[in-house]
Amino acid sequence: DTEVTQTPKHLVMGMTNKKSLKCEQHMGHRAMYWYKQKAKKPPELMFVYSYEKLSINESVPSRFSPECPNSSLLNLHLHALQPEDSALYLCASSASLRVGTDTQYFGPGTRLTVL
Amino acid sequence: AQSVSQHNHHVILSEAASLELGCNYSYGGTVNLFWYVQYPGQHLQLLLKYFSGDPLVKGIKGFEAEFIKSKFSFNLRKPSVQWSDTAEYFCAVTFGSSNTGKLIFGQGTTLQVKP
Repeated sequence: DTEVTQTPKHLVMGMTNKKSLKCEQHMGHRAMYWYKQKAKKPPELMFVYSYEKLSINESVPSRFSPECPNSSLLNLHLHALQPEDSALYLCASSASLRVGTDTQYFGPGTRLTVL
Repeated sequence: AQSVSQHNHHVILSEAASLELGCNYSYGGTVNLFWYVQYPGQHLQLLLKYFSGDPLVKGIKGFEAEFIKSKFSFNLRKPSVQWSDTAEYFCAVTFGSSNTGKLIFGQGTTLQVKP
């Protein structure tokens, strides 16, 4: 089973709202990722977690705040977003970061619209 | 800088035609190579991957790819496409043995198969 689940599927929020995106995997993977994808563009890496610790932050604005409460869950907390932050937010996981076990499996994404 | 390029941005084929999508990367060291597909309205799915060994890799749904180290290429092929292959195709690469999990995507190729 290579399933990564994400909730909600769609989210509409105002610029002053606080919301969270959730990602879950039960494959025993120890690396998890957040990506942002604009229409007809490739995914852009935002954050990497390895063994529940933040490993990479790709200079993402502080209005995006990741959290990894346990090895199966990854959250992305959103606050004071801008309309240009509207995009598909993808979560992925891999067994580890180690070469050979770093194949990433993606969830269906959360379609975020910021008004 | 490490980068991945896909030369064909939009490809239109008739059913039963042969497919080859180009992918090149800019790095002379160790690479791990992936092709992902994104069907309309669906999440990114792994088609195939190459870490080491036989440079001709077979994936799901009749796709294959060949790693040519001297040409820094990892082209995707399928002998006979179907209408259901209509999708966005992304080549992706992790560079080196640094185990960062950083997956670099190409810009993507939109494949449209006419019935």
